Amino acid sequence: AQKVTQAQTEISVVEKEDVTLDCVYETRDTTYYLFWYKQPPSGELVFLIRRNSFDEQNEISGRYSWNFQKSTSSFNFTITASQVVDSAVYFCALDTSNTGKLIFGQGTTLQVKP
Amino acid sequence: NAGVTQTPKFRVLKTGQSMTLLCAQDMNHEYMYWYRQDPGMGLRLIHYSVGEGTTAKGEVPDGYNVSRLKKQNFLLGLESAAPSQTSVYFCASSSGMRAFFGQGTRLTVV
Repeated sequence: AQKVTQAQTEISVVEKEDVTLDCVYETRDTTYYLFWYKQPPSGELVFLIRRNSFDEQNEISGRYSWNFQKSTSSFNFTITASQVVDSAVYFCALDTSNTGKLIFGQGTTLQVKP
Repeated sequence: NAGVTQTPKFRVLKTGQSMTLLCAQDMNHEYMYWYRQDPGMGLRLIHYSVGEGTTAKGEVPDGYNVSRLKKQNFLLGLESAAPSQTSVYFCASSSGMRAFFGQGTRLTVV
């Protein structure tokens, strides 16, 4: 079975706090791709990152960083020094076919208070 | 830079009515998808297409039909709308590397 679990339904933090969004995935495939998308209140889906299963290097992009650990089947997302504009729903997703066909987690709603 | 365009953006239907949602992409992508988004459930795949003239069922296909007569268009049809189909619908296209999403269609069935 292929599945993505985002156990945190809602997270609330105060601006400038660091926050980590958890993502756990299940697949028997050895080649797969993991994604994070952001959905701001306006509703569109914004691509954040794509990571393939052979690349376990952590990635940092500005205030965003991603920790991929195959041993625990996790692909966690950390926002450092959060800002109000980070308030959104964040989705983790899995692609085992490399066609863009995605299996989504339930999403985590992040609220950053000023 | 249109990307993926969905029409319409909002719609209210009465139970039993039919409608078609249109998705158009200008990136020459082979793969196209229809998802629905419901609170607490993420996005779930309804139907998808791996090329012009092909369609396949996703996770939640019941009550929907699709067609892909032209490579750039992917149509999602509801033959007899039900309140359970109230949702936000997203279309996406992909060349394989990543999916590009439309802005979404908010559909309410009353």
